[in-house]
Amino acid sequence: AQTVTQSQPEMSVQEAETVTLSCTYDTSESDYYLFWYKQPPSRQMILVIRQEAYKQQNATENRFSVNFQKAAKSFSLKISDSQLGDAAMYFCAYRRGGATNKLIFGTGTLLAVQP
Amino acid sequence: DAGVIQSPRHEVTEMGQEVTLRCKPISGHNSLFWYRQTMMRGLELLIYFNNNVPIDDSGMPEDRFSAKMPNASFSTLKIQPSEPRDSAVYFCASTTRLAGIVSEQFFGPGTRLTVL
Repeated sequence: AQTVTQSQPEMSVQEAETVTLSCTYDTSESDYYLFWYKQPPSRQMILVIRQEAYKQQNATENRFSVNFQKAAKSFSLKISDSQLGDAAMYFCAYRRGGATNKLIFGTGTLLAVQP
Repeated sequence: DAGVIQSPRHEVTEMGQEVTLRCKPISGHNSLFWYRQTMMRGLELLIYFNNNVPIDDSGMPEDRFSAKMPNASFSTLKIQPSEPRDSAVYFCASTTRLAGIVSEQFFGPGTRLTVL
């Protein structure tokens, strides 16, 4: 069975600084997708960024980028120029390729941004 | 687009009562998911539907939980009878399932359920 592990329950960063959130996963599949979701205090789940396993190039979305290490099964999220609005719970998620769209989530990392 | 709509946003009930959570997916989406979020277990998939048909209900905790999707624009998650350990935030999400396309799951705002 696939699993997703986030080893950092909480992280803190100063405004305008850079922070990296860690995620590892375990799978025997070769076709899969990885995601980072943000959950602010409003509870809304918001997709931040996604990565296809077959792509070697790391995904980027403005201030958000990932470091995808397929052999190490590692998928970290880097937030540059952190803003107060980035404070939230961040979830790493895995989806197997193929017909199913089922997401498997990690336990989350609570990010605090200090002014 | 209104996004995924869930109702109610908050529900407080007493142990033993029946609870029904409702979800309206985004128009045109043909996959719908029910997730539960708790401090202890995090976010876990309960059940999902493709084209109104339940595909995987292995996450449904027990027979007290049931889910239906009578049409493409409506789904319910029912708990009968409810227990305090069912207290959680329940999310509904929808997406488009097309061959060869990985589409984003859009989440609703969630229903916070408290069972006293």
